[in-house]
Amino acid sequence: IAGITQAPTSQILAAGRRMTLRCTQDMRHNAMYWYRQDLGLGLRLIHYSNTAGTTGKGEVPDGYSVSRANTDDFPLTLASAVPSQTSVYFCASSEQPNTEAFFGQGTRLTVV
Amino acid sequence: RKEVEQDPGPFNVPEGATVAFNCTYSNSASQSFFWYRQDCRKEPKLLMSVYSSGNEDGRFTAQLNRASQYISLLIRDSKLSDSATYLCVVNVWVSSNFGNEKLTFGTGTRLTIIP
Repeated sequence: IAGITQAPTSQILAAGRRMTLRCTQDMRHNAMYWYRQDLGLGLRLIHYSNTAGTTGKGEVPDGYSVSRANTDDFPLTLASAVPSQTSVYFCASSEQPNTEAFFGQGTRLTVV
Repeated sequence: RKEVEQDPGPFNVPEGATVAFNCTYSNSASQSFFWYRQDCRKEPKLLMSVYSSGNEDGRFTAQLNRASQYISLLIRDSKLSDSATYLCVVNVWVSSNFGNEKLTFGTGTRLTIIP
């Protein structure tokens, strides 16, 4: 089934550890995004990629990095996790930048 | 002023009723508008795009008012399955360079349909 897949679905992580959240799409979409969703704050853009080989910073990029080596994959890395990074993380993709976006099922991350 | 603002609700509405909610946006240059639906602990899913002329999809109608900078969503004959959080999404320009825009999400309006 075509779509966008995230892994893991949930994770408990010790503070200070490095973690990579994986995101893969098979729709050949050009643009991909990472959001975090926190209660009362809605979805906030962390990083985005308008096309393979390019990335950009969103609203809340600090503490996160991304890469876009190919069209399908857009991993998000937390270099040294902190408790404030406890959140639900959603990866999304769209055919072109800032058109209708389709979301993965989310990764629930708890940093302790 | 927030870039995209929604009434958080909750809206508690009896089954069969009509419900409407608005979303205001601050950037007059915004061109793309969407409504998403999000069920508890699930990912947001596209409900409908919002076109300048307004558009309808079954029981759902979306409208755009550029002069007052808001979009609206109307749900007629509401069903129990319509209970969800509805997210307003607007593209916002972050610089004057082409391509430097981002989709900005409202915090959502929570709707509960009561039997």
